[in-house]
Amino acid sequence: TQLLEQSPQFLSIQEGENLTVYCNSSSVFSSLQWYRQEPGEGPVLLVTVVTGGEVKKLKRLTFQFGDARKDSSLHITAAQPGDTGLYLCAVLGRSGTYKYIFGTGTRLKVLA
Amino acid sequence: GAGVSQTPSNKVTEKGKYVELRCDPISGHTALYWYRQSLGQGPEFLIYFQGTGAADDSGLPNDRFFAVRPEGSVSTLKIQRTERGDSAVYLCASSRQGAGEQYFGPGTRLTVT
Repeated sequence: TQLLEQSPQFLSIQEGENLTVYCNSSSVFSSLQWYRQEPGEGPVLLVTVVTGGEVKKLKRLTFQFGDARKDSSLHITAAQPGDTGLYLCAVLGRSGTYKYIFGTGTRLKVLA
Repeated sequence: GAGVSQTPSNKVTEKGKYVELRCDPISGHTALYWYRQSLGQGPEFLIYFQGTGAADDSGLPNDRFFAVRPEGSVSTLKIQRTERGDSAVYLCASSRQGAGEQYFGPGTRLTVT
């Protein structure tokens, strides 16, 4: 079983639509990161959330960390073709290690 | 400044051969990570270096995989007796320190035929 489950796996939407993707786990984490990865490139960090209930905004992207720090969501408003990519959530493994664990990813395609 | 670079960008090898994948981290970054990413999956942790030493190698799948970072900068991931199941994109990332923001390279796509 995956430590971090992301949903949906795939999402294809029209430009201008809103969407939300999710990252869920049964474990509690001290922090959670969201990345975007484009074809042929490595992931790029978008945000780190650390406090239960925390909401962070990055232009049209809104990130929320669950109150219990077990899950997170990413909401995109008025999606653009440039938002196309693989969205990954990641957490640090057990305390004392720097082993990052990534989710399964949500592949988003925004059609013009 | 220069980001993380990885060479080669693509490597095709025959089953049973030995391969080396190179990672040049951002200058001054003490932490370096190797990941493996299979098609349609998120990156899978392989090994983490702090300076020259492997602080956590629990993600290496078996003893065919080995990584070094002799001078605390460039790192090489070595795979012996390659198998078709080793085919994947191998990503390297560096950060100023452990648990700091990771900067990823573009990856090396390894294909074992």
